Amino acid sequence: KNQVEQSPQSLIILEGKNCTLQCNYTVSPFSNLRWYKQDTGRGPVSLTIMTFSENTKSNGRYTATLDADTKQSSLHITASQLSDSASYICVVSGNNDMRFGAGTRLTVKP
Amino acid sequence: KAGVTQTPRYLIKTRGQQVTLSCSPISGHRSVSWYQQTPGQGLQFLFEYFSETQRNKGNFPGRFSGRQFSNSRSEMNVSTLELGDSALYLCASSQASTTSNTGELFFGEGSRLTVL
Repeated sequence: KNQVEQSPQSLIILEGKNCTLQCNYTVSPFSNLRWYKQDTGRGPVSLTIMTFSENTKSNGRYTATLDADTKQSSLHITASQLSDSASYICVVSGNNDMRFGAGTRLTVKP
Repeated sequence: KAGVTQTPRYLIKTRGQQVTLSCSPISGHRSVSWYQQTPGQGLQFLFEYFSETQRNKGNFPGRFSGRQFSNSRSEMNVSTLELGDSALYLCASSQASTTSNTGELFFGEGSRLTVL
């Protein structure tokens, strides 16, 4: 069964600190992996999209990594800001199949 | 450039009723996909339309249906509403088919449905 597992389920950090969110998947065949940020009550916003051949992609303070061999991805947030408080969702696509992780709820405190 | 527009933003229905939600994609985007988001199940893929044709369908009962018009606008319909259908319904548009493509998905703000 194609699955996407995210950890941790929730995370609280202090403003200015770094954090790393994890995404493990079993979707096969694999096409691409996306990370989204979703603020409460809003639609998700794309952070990164990675294909099989890409192992790192950055978007400002967000850096995603992908290890297609171990089927793992991480999203690293540097120098967190209060506005980073949101849910972060990992989405893995295969052949005509799209699977969502349950998300990691990040809270950044001053 | 206008983003993805979903209407209505909020609605309340009772069990057994039906509901129609609308989505206007970004101009030039031909793919529209729909998702259900609940606290318990997270985001789940409903279906995708590309050039008026359903390309993919998630694992939802036949009460959930959709269509896409020639101007790429899309509607989804849920018939015989159940309490468990209460959710945020999100629509996303893309220039190309979403699942096996690296095209970016642009989400709307969603339609929050409450079934009483």
